[in-house]
Formats: sequence, structure tokens, C-alpha cells
Amino acid sequence: GNSVTQMEGPVTLSEEAFLTINCTYTATGYPSLFWYVQYPGEGLQLLLKATKADDKGSNKGFEATYRKETTSFHLEKGSVQVSDSAVYFCALYTGTASKLTFGTGTRLQVTL
Amino acid sequence: EAGVVQSPRYKIIEKKQPVAFWCNPISGHNTLYWYRQNLGQGPELLIRYENEEAVDDSQLPKDRFSAERLKGVDSTLKIQPAELGDSAVYLCASSLQGSYGYTFGSGTRLTVV
Repeated sequence: GNSVTQMEGPVTLSEEAFLTINCTYTATGYPSLFWYVQYPGEGLQLLLKATKADDKGSNKGFEATYRKETTSFHLEKGSVQVSDSAVYFCALYTGTASKLTFGTGTRLQVTL
Repeated sequence: EAGVVQSPRYKIIEKKQPVAFWCNPISGHNTLYWYRQNLGQGPELLIRYENEEAVDDSQLPKDRFSAERLKGVDSTLKIQPAELGDSAVYLCASSLQGSYGYTFGSGTRLTVV
């Protein structure tokens, strides 16, 4: 079946540091890949997505590239801010399963 | 446009009591999902609707959970009776096309004591 593996958190960074959150997946077929963000006490918000190999999703300074050869979709940001503190979820969708499958989430804490 | 609306935001009940959650999806989104998110975990699908039809309820504990989607719009998820292990955040989401991503509501945080 489909599955997503994320690096465990929490990840603690100083403001303006570089961020990488690793995500790898296993899927049958050709998945679409997503990063969602969850701020404290809120639901999940779509951060970015990529629907085919070598696509790069980007939003709010975050980027992730769909790497089919390594089955990865790592999230990166060049300079994090305190306001980026949240839990980040990697997810995939296939037409076969017709549902989003999520990783366990990675908590990011950014300090001044 | 209004997003996915869920109510209540929080609910505390005693075990063995019933509880219901309500969801209003984005207008025009035919597909509606209920997910459960346990503390420190990613969301897991409970049930998926296409219009008013439940097309995937394989992960719904049918002995105590039930759901309905009247007229293919609003949906209600019910638990009766609730158990301590049902404490979680219940998320509703809707989509026009799943491969483009879902829009999630703010969730209902259920605490069973």
C-alpha cells in the first residue's frame, strides 16, 4: 500500500537558518505529492504540491521537488522565520487509492 | 469564498455518551472526507463521500461510528457510545479533484473522559 515517511521532529532552528525536512514515499502508480502545514489549534493548510516527476512546488519561500528516482519530496526554505513554527505533513495521493495518505508530521520550532 | 466549516471546535464528553460532528464543505466540492488525527500523528481517513454516496468506509469502526451526507452537501459524523480511545481531532475536508489537494476545516477536538 501507499505510505509516507518523514524525518522525526522536533526540528529547532534559529531565525534565518536553512530548513530541510525529509520526506520519502512508497506508492503504487504515479502519485501527486503535497506538503501541508498545521499551525497550533488549526486545521491543515495546503502549502505546496507537485503532480509529476521533476516538478517543483513552491509557496511562501518553501520549495520541494518531486524526485521519482529517489521517491522523495523534501521540503526546503532558505531562511525560516518565527512565524513558520508549525507542524509540517508530507502526503501523497493516487487515483488508485483515491485518498491522501499522510506522514506522521514534523514539528518545526523557530527561535529568535 | 468560505472554507470548510466544522462545528463544534471542541467537545468534552464522558465515555459511553454519544457525540456528533458537523461539516459544511466548500460549495461545488463533490467529494467529502472525514479524517481522524490522533495526538502526534498524521490524519487517517475514516470515510470518503462522492456526493451522497459513501464510496470508502473501510476504516470506519462501524460498530460505534456512523456518518451521513444529506443531499450531497453537509455531513455529520456520529460516535455512539464514545470510548476513551476516541479522543482525537476529527477533520473534515472537501475537494473538487483529489489529485489537486484537499481543503480542510479547522477540526473538532474531542476529549472523552
